[in-house]
Amino acid sequence: AQKVTQAQTEISVVEKEDVTLDCVYETRDTTYYLFWYKQPPSGELVFLIRRNSFDEQNEISGRYSWNFQKSTSSFNFTITASQVVDSAVYFCARNTGNTPLVFGKGTRLSVIA
Amino acid sequence: GAVVSQHPSRVICKSGTSVKIECRSLDFQATTMFWYRQFPKQSLMLMATSNEGSKATYEQGVEKDKFLINHASLTLSTLTVTSAHPEDSSFYICSARARAGLYSNQPQHFGDGTRLSIL
Repeated sequence: AQKVTQAQTEISVVEKEDVTLDCVYETRDTTYYLFWYKQPPSGELVFLIRRNSFDEQNEISGRYSWNFQKSTSSFNFTITASQVVDSAVYFCARNTGNTPLVFGKGTRLSVIA
Repeated sequence: GAVVSQHPSRVICKSGTSVKIECRSLDFQATTMFWYRQFPKQSLMLMATSNEGSKATYEQGVEKDKFLINHASLTLSTLTVTSAHPEDSSFYICSARARAGLYSNQPQHFGDGTRLSIL
């Protein structure tokens, strides 16, 4: 299976710090899609972003930004000025067209007030 | 749009009981549904994929006789954990995929999950 690797298991930051969550993926496909989800303590998955393999533009949405680098097979996620409400487990995932999402192991982010 | 309702949200039952979890797409037709399992502090692992009216396709290592999946309509899939044991305790999450072209930004819409605890 083509894996998604999130090397950081847990990260703790102090509120207002910036934090980057790393995601590296394997792929043999030309067309594929990358995602980030947030899973708060309540358990539901919250969709954050979808990026297709042909679009390497970085994206910014409020305090969130994503850096997609095909050359290094990475799709990193940065939270600027972190807040306590950002505390959650964040999953990076990929699929190709109609295949099911394959998730990384997740990074548990704790933001301390 | 694209709401997936999963019920129940939490189940606590005795070992040997069979437990049924329902997953409904409320405002769209789900041609394909997926069932994931998540053990504490671990990732979501795909258990099976089901297409409406067809038998489910199970991932390697998932016992099809233990985890019965029925996808009888375009809006409902059920997962039945038969004769559940403590090692089946986990967080189960369903996911539904709409017909091609709809909600294209999100290929899968997730239910809120069912926390299953077997005593």
